[in-house]
Amino acid sequence: QVQLQESGPGLVKPSQTLSLTCSVSGGSISSGDSYWSWIRQPPGKGLEFIGYISYSGNTYYKPSFKSRLSISADTSKNHFSLKLTSVTAADTAVYYCVRAVDGGWFDPWGQGTLVTVSS
Amino acid sequence: QSALTQPASVSGSPGQSITISCTGTRTDVGGYNYVSWYQQHPGKAPKLIIHDVTIRPSGVSNRFSGSKSGNTASLTISGLQAEDEADYYCTSYTTSIYVIFGGGTKLTVL
Repeated sequence: QVQLQESGPGLVKPSQTLSLTCSVSGGSISSGDSYWSWIRQPPGKGLEFIGYISYSGNTYYKPSFKSRLSISADTSKNHFSLKLTSVTAADTAVYYCVRAVDGGWFDPWGQGTLVTVSS
Repeated sequence: QSALTQPASVSGSPGQSITISCTGTRTDVGGYNYVSWYQQHPGKAPKLIIHDVTIRPSGVSNRFSGSKSGNTASLTISGLQAEDEADYYCTSYTTSIYVIFGGGTKLTVL
């Protein structure tokens, strides 16, 4: 059974880079048909898809993040990472790492990690 | 691209059935059979309860069912229970931005 766990700083200063890692257990990130994704949820608000890196290393970024976003994977450590540059208070959210499959449904989800952007 | 449209809130009494709608366009909900639904309890990660419009993952109660007509998908919960009180989100595949989420619906069990 695949499990995901986010890790990274809970506090980032404005204009700096938000970096998170998602450790995957119970399955390989190189396995076919998996799209290793990031989704975020600002406090009290809804869910927003950010982007993914596929099992083959291809990436997709939601256009509104494209200029600031990088998602990468380390198959030797079986984890994938998110870097979001030039953050503002609007980037404060719970960030979830999730596996997506063809058709765009998400399962399983990590527990989520709150990242606050504040000086 | 705007979010899929869901009612902000719905409510029902224990034992009743409720339906949550999720309205999109022909470029998302209406164009593909790739609608999924998630249940989120406060402080918890979302949980997949329906994918590909009607398919219920193993372990999800058969009180949850999904359907679609045109540009609107629906989640029906029958035999409402107190534990069903949560936020519910729909998503749809879309060629323009991969997936689009609904704004979420808060279900209150009276």
